[in-house]
Amino acid sequence: DARVTQTPRDKVTEMGQEVTMRCQPILGHNTVFWYRQTMMQGLELLAYFRNRAPLDDSGMPKDRFSAEMPDATLATLKIQPSEPRDSAVYFCASGLVVTGELFFGEGSRLTVL
Amino acid sequence: RKEVEQDPGPFNVPEGATVAFNCTYSNSASQSFFWYRQDCRKEPKLLMSVYSSGNEDGRFTAQLNRASQYISLLIRDSKLSDSATYLCVVKPPGSSAGGTSYGKLTFGQGTILTVHP
Repeated sequence: DARVTQTPRDKVTEMGQEVTMRCQPILGHNTVFWYRQTMMQGLELLAYFRNRAPLDDSGMPKDRFSAEMPDATLATLKIQPSEPRDSAVYFCASGLVVTGELFFGEGSRLTVL
Repeated sequence: RKEVEQDPGPFNVPEGATVAFNCTYSNSASQSFFWYRQDCRKEPKLLMSVYSSGNEDGRFTAQLNRASQYISLLIRDSKLSDSATYLCVVKPPGSSAGGTSYGKLTFGQGTILTVHP
């Protein structure tokens, strides 16, 4: 069964530390998304890649967040420096642009103390 | 105005009840619509697509009203296992295959459903 793989599953860190989350999308998918989910805000789109090109990162705090897709098998989301308000579950999802169905990873639960 | 809005609920219904959720979207040119389901502490998963003529999948019925810009999900004969958050998802129009919005999905905040015995 093809699936989206995310690491780490859980991360506890201290304020100011760098956090890197990784995602392996499903082979052959041409869209990759990073979402953040909190109880208050729901699912927020942070970044959107199509054919590895970053197309929309308007939902991402530019001063501390960065998203890249160095190759077709890896997408990364980096937070530097991290802050307590970044505590959330971060989901990576991949799909095919023509179908609109997204397949989500299990999420990375981040806690910043 | 948010691109996609849902009543967050929670909806608490007994087993066997029929329950309906609505979702409104702001962009009248939106192309495609979906309902996703998210179980507690899990990732969202596609429940069903929403077609212009309406569509059914077992106990679930999805409808689209383009004139009023809303979609709905009806669940008949609710089961305990239907307890979850239901997310409305909209695919906005892309000006072209190369447009930055092409392929992007926007999620509503979700409607929480609890089915009790």
